[in-house]
Amino acid sequence: GAGVSQSPSNKVTEKGKDVELRCDPISGHTALYWYRQSLGQGLEFLIYFQGNSAPDKSGLPSDRFSAERTGGSVSTLTIQRTQQEDSAVYLCASSLAVVAGELFFGEGSRLTVL
Amino acid sequence: AQSVTQLGSHVSVSEGALVLLRCNYSSSVPPYLFWYVQYPNQGLQLLLKYTSAATLVKGINGFEAEFKKSETSFHLTKPSAHMSDAAEYFCAVISTGGGNKLTFGTGTQLKVEL
Repeated sequence: GAGVSQSPSNKVTEKGKDVELRCDPISGHTALYWYRQSLGQGLEFLIYFQGNSAPDKSGLPSDRFSAERTGGSVSTLTIQRTQQEDSAVYLCASSLAVVAGELFFGEGSRLTVL
Repeated sequence: AQSVTQLGSHVSVSEGALVLLRCNYSSSVPPYLFWYVQYPNQGLQLLLKYTSAATLVKGINGFEAEFKKSETSFHLTKPSAHMSDAAEYFCAVISTGGGNKLTFGTGTQLKVEL
């Protein structure tokens, strides 16, 4: 597609359930990022991929969070045993690694944990 | 670690008035700086970026920003606000850790009134 695609756009789940969020980056973009946007918290970096490897996982808030990327393309962010504080909009972005700072964002996946 | 601070979480201007959104950076080396905009229910998009080529940077939709090393600032301005400028604006700095990772400010919500 032309832009970064994320699914689902909205997810409501019960506390304790696992969720998977998907990101399909722009074709040819080698770098992929996950951010979390919460009310009053701004954008919080979670993890970055270059190709299929994740050289920077420093933002993952706990071991309940994990992400993978396969084929240098699609990425999945998994949150296990969801908690209410996980409620947020999860944003995915991709970029050409050589173009500093020019990230292309998807519209996000809004997660609500009841 | 490099960071940016946005002064004012909410700014309100009249249509036709000057827009001024403030951003100060913290960096021991010349940074790469960015402004992103998020319109309602959309992903973030790049407005403009500073990469040391010129201190006055022009972006999309009539916005510009000036890098001032003496003030460690990168404020965003637009001479005349339009209703369509109502959005959330984020200042960002690229991480020295490499990998094109951006660290964002907490955002400024711009409201444009008639």
